Amino acid sequence: EDQVTQSPEALRLQEGESSSLNCSYTVSGLRGLFWYRQDPGKGPEFLFTLYSAGEEKEKERLKATLTKKESFLHITAPKPEDSATYLCAVEREGGGADGLTFGKGTHLIIQP
Amino acid sequence: DGGITQSPKYLFRKEGQNVTLSCEQNLNHDAMYWYRQDPGQGLRLIYYSQIVNDFQKGDIAEGYSVSREKKESFPLTVTSAQKNPTAFYLCASSKGAQPQHFGDGTRLSIL
Repeated sequence: EDQVTQSPEALRLQEGESSSLNCSYTVSGLRGLFWYRQDPGKGPEFLFTLYSAGEEKEKERLKATLTKKESFLHITAPKPEDSATYLCAVEREGGGADGLTFGKGTHLIIQP
Repeated sequence: DGGITQSPKYLFRKEGQNVTLSCEQNLNHDAMYWYRQDPGQGLRLIYYSQIVNDFQKGDIAEGYSVSREKKESFPLTVTSAQKNPTAFYLCASSKGAQPQHFGDGTRLSIL
């Protein structure tokens, strides 16, 4: 069974204080690992897809990296508008369009 | 602008009542999905559909039903058999190997 574990569950940072969110996964053949951002009362917003170990993607203050067992979402010099819940999900190889397995998310708060 | 529209935003269900949540997309996506989100839990897959007139059960399909009569539409019915329906319901769609895109959800509560 595919499993995704995110840590920490919640993280409070000061504006400008860089940190990383972790996503550990177990899947029988990874087709892709996805990061989403979710604001309260909204649907998840797509951020990144990573396909193979060693791959990195960047967008503004966010950088996602992937190893064979985990992914990190690094946030550099965050601003209050980066406050959100960050979700990690995996798609199994050969799984077709049969849905993603999600972690429980990391609730990130950036204080001014 | 293309996107996924879920309605209503808030829905209340009485005991013994079936309710239907709407999901419409104009992205020309082939696959559509329904997820349930509970506080402190990850999104869980209820049903998915890869093509019109075909759909498969996800991990928690009991007490739910769907239809896919049109490419653009994938309504979810929460039946009276679903004993704990209070949750945030999210619809998503995708095309080929592209990532899934989500609507803004329907929050269902029990009266």
